[in-house]
Amino acid sequence: NAGVTQTPKFRILKIGQSMTLQCTQDMNHNYMYWYRQDPGMGLKLIYYSVGAGITDKGEVPNGYNVSRSTTEDFPLRLELAAPSQTSVYFCASSREYNEQFFGPGTRLTVL
Amino acid sequence: GEDVEQSLFLSVREGDSSVINCTYTDSSSTYLYWYKQEPGAGLQLLTYIFSNMDMKQDQRLTVLLNKKDKHLSLRIADTQTGDSAIYFCAESKGSARQLTFGSGTQLTVLP
Repeated sequence: NAGVTQTPKFRILKIGQSMTLQCTQDMNHNYMYWYRQDPGMGLKLIYYSVGAGITDKGEVPNGYNVSRSTTEDFPLRLELAAPSQTSVYFCASSREYNEQFFGPGTRLTVL
Repeated sequence: GEDVEQSLFLSVREGDSSVINCTYTDSSSTYLYWYKQEPGAGLQLLTYIFSNMDMKQDQRLTVLLNKKDKHLSLRIADTQTGDSAIYFCAESKGSARQLTFGSGTQLTVLP
């Protein structure tokens, strides 16, 4: 199993551009999550999903959108990139009531 | 204030024990976790404790939970240079077991 994979690893965006961060898991987990980690800080939850077709907001959802059309994929969309969205983004997945497995992260810089 | 708080830095000598502390505020949290993050990498689950337990031991790791004071600690016995990393405590709550992270403790192991 590859576990949780994320693409791209790095990306530089200009203010106002848009992009999609990809996340895929091959563990047949129902639950998936997106977190962001700002320098020197812990992770903050952006969005989560408890199954295909079901998504919900986390602590810091503004400026982001998600969709969950399949069990495996949980893409995160930035529509109008802002410098405040410069961060490292982590995707995670879990079975219900079990530990979360994290991907390696996407480092995003908005200039 | 933050839901989960940790001290930012800890330095120890190789072979000594390390104790990383964490306080949390939500008494309804069901699980409390310790994650390890090495430079440029994602988060790796080290251990966890269920909220009705006081202590859990797993090889070199000992977790202590004081529910009255909402205090969690991670003790690493015989600390090695490979233990140098950032350690995050996290509490789990909500319908999807969303995680709330502390800011992380940077552990430096000196030879």
